[in-house]
Parts: sequence; structure tokens; C-alpha cells
Amino acid sequence: AQSVTQPDIHITVSEGASLELRCNYSYGATPYLFWYVQSPGQGLQLLLKYFSGDTLVQGIKGFEAEFKRSQSSFNLRKPSVHWSDAAEYFCAVVANSGNTPLVFGKGTRLSVIA
Amino acid sequence: DAGVIQSPRHEVTEMGQEVTLRCKPISGHNSLFWYRQTMMRGLELLIYFNNNVPIDDSGMPEDRFSAKMPNASFSTLKIQPSEPRDSAVYFCASSAGTSGHYNEQFFGPGTRLTVL
Repeated sequence: AQSVTQPDIHITVSEGASLELRCNYSYGATPYLFWYVQSPGQGLQLLLKYFSGDTLVQGIKGFEAEFKRSQSSFNLRKPSVHWSDAAEYFCAVVANSGNTPLVFGKGTRLSVIA
Repeated sequence: DAGVIQSPRHEVTEMGQEVTLRCKPISGHNSLFWYRQTMMRGLELLIYFNNNVPIDDSGMPEDRFSAKMPNASFSTLKIQPSEPRDSAVYFCASSAGTSGHYNEQFFGPGTRLTVL
């Protein structure tokens, strides 16, 4: 069965600083990987996804993520964080066949300070 | 398109009462998912449907929970009787389905349930 680990529960960064959120997955084959963002009191918004091909994927709001098969990782990055990026971030995995459910990590809460 | 619609957005009820959460998927989508978000367990799948048929309900906590999808445009999640530990945010998501291919899931805004 698939599983996702986000090692960092809470991260605080200064506005303008770079950001990296970690995600490790467990799956027998190459999975489909996602990052979602949830602002307080809101639903989930897809930031980016990886299915195949180029291992560096670009998403919305200036985010990118890199798939590293050797490390079973899919870390999310942003070169310069804005105060509006403060939110909860979820990494998720799904089996690469059919409409199967997402398996989420526990999430990383991002705080941005001035 | 209006996206996935969930109602109510907030529900406060007393222990022992019946609670019904509603979801209208995006028109044309034929897969529907119910997820629950709690502080302790994070986001977890409760049940999902393909073409109105329940495929996997192994995430449903116990017999107090039931879900139906009487047609392609409507689903309900019912808790009877409700308990304080059911307090959570319940998300509905839908996707367009084709066998053998993954299709993006679109999430509703969620229903925040508080059981007193």
C-alpha cells in the first residue's frame, strides 16, 4: 500500500527566504505525486503534480517540486516566500491506474514572518 | 462550472443526533470521494464511488457512518448517532473517470462538523 511521510510538522521562514518542504513516499512502482495547499478554513488546491517525464515540475504560485526516484522523494520548493504562502501543505500519492483515492501525508504547516 | 458543492459548510450538533452531509460533484464527473480531516489522523479516505457504485468503504469508521450516491449528481454522508470524536472537516472530491488513467480530483470547500 502507498504511504506518504512529511517529516516536518511546522516550518517557519522569513518573507523572501527560500523554502523546501520534504515529502517521502512508499510505493512499489512509480506513483503519481501531488502537492496541495490548504489555506485556513479553505479547501484543497492543487499546486502541482508529477506523472512522468521531466522530474522537475513547475506549479502555480511560483512553486516547483523535484521527483527523485532514488530517494523516494518529492520535495516542494519556492525560491522566495511571500506572506500569503502561509498555509498547510500536503503531499499526496495515488496509484497510477484508474480513479483511485489519494493517500495524503500528515501535512506541513508553513508560517511566514516579516 | 461551480466546482464541487458541499453543504452545509458548518454543522454543530449534539451527541446522538443524526448528521447528513451533502455533496454535488462537478457535472460530468463519475468518481466521487469522501475524505475526513482531523488533527490526529490528517486527511483520510472514507469511501469512494465510481459511476454511483461504492468501490471501497474500508475507511468508514464504523456502522454509524453510511454513504449513498443515488445518482451522478448527488451524494450523502450520514452519521447516526453522532459522537464528539466525529468532529472533523469532511471533504468531497470528484473526478472524471476513465479506466486505466488517473484524472485530477477536484475538492469541495469541506463541511466543518462539531459534535458537542
